[in-house]
Amino acid sequence: ILNVEQSPQSLHVQEGDSTNFTCSFPSSNFYALHWYRWETAKSPEALFVMTLNGDEKKKGRISATLNTKEGYSYLYIKGSQPEDSATYLCAPNSGGSNYKLTFGKGTLLTVNP
Amino acid sequence: EAGVVQSPRYKIIEKKQPVAFWCNPISGHNTLYWYRQNLGQGPELLIRYENEEAVDDSQLPKDRFSAERLKGVDSTLKIQPAELGDSAVYLCASSSFGSGVSEQYFGPGTRLTVT
Repeated sequence: ILNVEQSPQSLHVQEGDSTNFTCSFPSSNFYALHWYRWETAKSPEALFVMTLNGDEKKKGRISATLNTKEGYSYLYIKGSQPEDSATYLCAPNSGGSNYKLTFGKGTLLTVNP
Repeated sequence: EAGVVQSPRYKIIEKKQPVAFWCNPISGHNTLYWYRQNLGQGPELLIRYENEEAVDDSQLPKDRFSAERLKGVDSTLKIQPAELGDSAVYLCASSSFGSGVSEQYFGPGTRLTVT
């Protein structure tokens, strides 16, 4: 079972602030890293899938980077808005399989207007 | 395109009672997953189906949990009898298995409370 750590556990920011979270995972047997956003009472929404060391992905004000050699990924949100309030989950695939996601506990982001 | 559908969205039952959750995956997705998310934890895989075959059920507590996907489309997860510790959100996801990385698409989940 992979040890996936996400930090911080929770975060409160003001509207307009930029913020970032960290996902740490074992660097051995890495296959891919998934980021999800999960708003209360909704379905977890896929944000990014990254596979290569040095990958950078961007979707609007949200971006992510990947370092497979040291086993971490950063998620950045620029100019946070109240609608960004959600739990952000990361989940690496490992062992060469492309289905077995091991989720971290998530980072709960609250953006205050 | 319709997403993954789950029902019910919420369920409250007393311990020792049975409960069942239903999932209809995205059309054409041959792989279906059931996850359980306990409070303060990330989702954990319970079982994975490829078509109608359960290919990974190593995390499914088989003494009280069962699942089926008879026609390789929708699926049912059952708990009998439920225990207090089964209170959690049960998520269903689906993907289209193939080469490369498969994205998993999630339903909204069923929040189970066992009293």
